[in-house]
Amino acid sequence: AQKVTQAQTEISVVEKEDVTLDCVYETRDTTYYLFWYKQPPSGELVFLIRRNSFDEQNEISGRYSWNFQKSTSSFNFTITASQVVDSAVYFCAEEGGGSNYKLTFGKGTLLTVNP
Amino acid sequence: GAGVSQSPRYKVTKRGQDVALRCDPISGHVSLYWYRQALGQGPEFLTYFNYEAQQDKSGLPNDRFSAERPEGSISTLTIQRTEQRDSAMYRCASSPSGHSYNEQFFGPGTRLTVL
Repeated sequence: AQKVTQAQTEISVVEKEDVTLDCVYETRDTTYYLFWYKQPPSGELVFLIRRNSFDEQNEISGRYSWNFQKSTSSFNFTITASQVVDSAVYFCAEEGGGSNYKLTFGKGTLLTVNP
Repeated sequence: GAGVSQSPRYKVTKRGQDVALRCDPISGHVSLYWYRQALGQGPEFLTYFNYEAQQDKSGLPNDRFSAERPEGSISTLTIQRTEQRDSAMYRCASSPSGHSYNEQFFGPGTRLTVL
């Protein structure tokens, strides 16, 4: 069974600091997908990235970057030069390559960026 | 374009009443998912439809919960004889097809409070 662990419950930083959100996953699937979603105070869930298990290249999108390491079953998310608008709950999720395609989410990390 | 919509956005009911939560997916999306998110937790999978067929209902907590999608578009999640422990955010998501390379687009959710 899949399991996603986000050990950091809450993180507080000052604007312009870099911050890394940790995600560790467990799966028996050989093919799987990893995701990050953002839940701002307004409550919606916003898709940020999807990564498949065969692609270990790191990815950068603006101030966001993701580090996927299969050897440690981790998929960490870094925000560079954080801004107040980055304040949100961030969820890591995993989807097995089986037939049901359901997402298994971690418990989320609440990030607060203070001015 | 229009995203996933859910109604009502907020529902307060008394214990023992039945409730029906509606999800209107993005037009043309084949797959539809229901998740439940308790306060301070990540969303948890409830059930999954491909067109009108309910492919996976393994996440429904008990037989008081049911879902349907009779015409392969709008879906209704029904909770009978509600209990206080049913209080949560109920989220619907849709995707173009039930393949892992398609991201799931989430609706705004219905906040259910059972008194």
